[in-house]
Amino acid sequence: DSGVTQTPKHLITATGQRVTLRCSPRSGDLSVYWYQQSLDQGLQFLIQYYNGEERAKGNILERFSAQQFPDLHSELNLSSLELGDSALYFCASSVEGRGGVDEQYFGPGTRLTVT
Amino acid sequence: TQLLEQSPQFLSIQEGENLTVYCNSSSVFSSLQWYRQEPGEGPVLLVTVVTGGEVKKLKRLTFQFGDARKDSSLHITAAQPGDTGLYLCAGRDLYNFNKFYFGSGTKLNVKP
Repeated sequence: DSGVTQTPKHLITATGQRVTLRCSPRSGDLSVYWYQQSLDQGLQFLIQYYNGEERAKGNILERFSAQQFPDLHSELNLSSLELGDSALYFCASSVEGRGGVDEQYFGPGTRLTVT
Repeated sequence: TQLLEQSPQFLSIQEGENLTVYCNSSSVFSSLQWYRQEPGEGPVLLVTVVTGGEVKKLKRLTFQFGDARKDSSLHITAAQPGDTGLYLCAGRDLYNFNKFYFGSGTKLNVKP
């Protein structure tokens, strides 16, 4: 158990819908990362927050957005869902997110299926 | 296309054999991490290498960071069924420490 929690574990929804994925970082971690893992593409970095502020952006679609709240939990919002958005979505947290050997701890993931 | 290419993609070996997994890129990274992921779970960090040429050992696993900090290898000695899993390398962006690039992974199966 990494200490990072993600809800829900599974989500099945239809194309065109909007969903929200939630992540609670490890106690004391200020930094949250979001990743998408599709079957054929490995892990893709989406976005990172540190203490409520966006610090880095990867290949995140405009239909996707995220935020980190004052209590440090984070939400990833996916809208106008397409079949290709079906994937595992992982959240990871770290203490600082400032480089060096700062370690990321991954949550168990949310499996999103778009039908 | 992946910034980090891992090879091989799949590896099926007998218990007791040795193996090496490679992680290559044309880009320089500030550090490189190796993770192992089991089905239905998130990746778990095995090691971080920071200095070019650095070698780290974790029991039967040996990790090496290339001199130019563009590539890395993972060598497992006398593989065991418990080593089965997906091995992922991840490079930390040189200019934005908050960005990571993951390889597509090597799926290892160790048969008893």
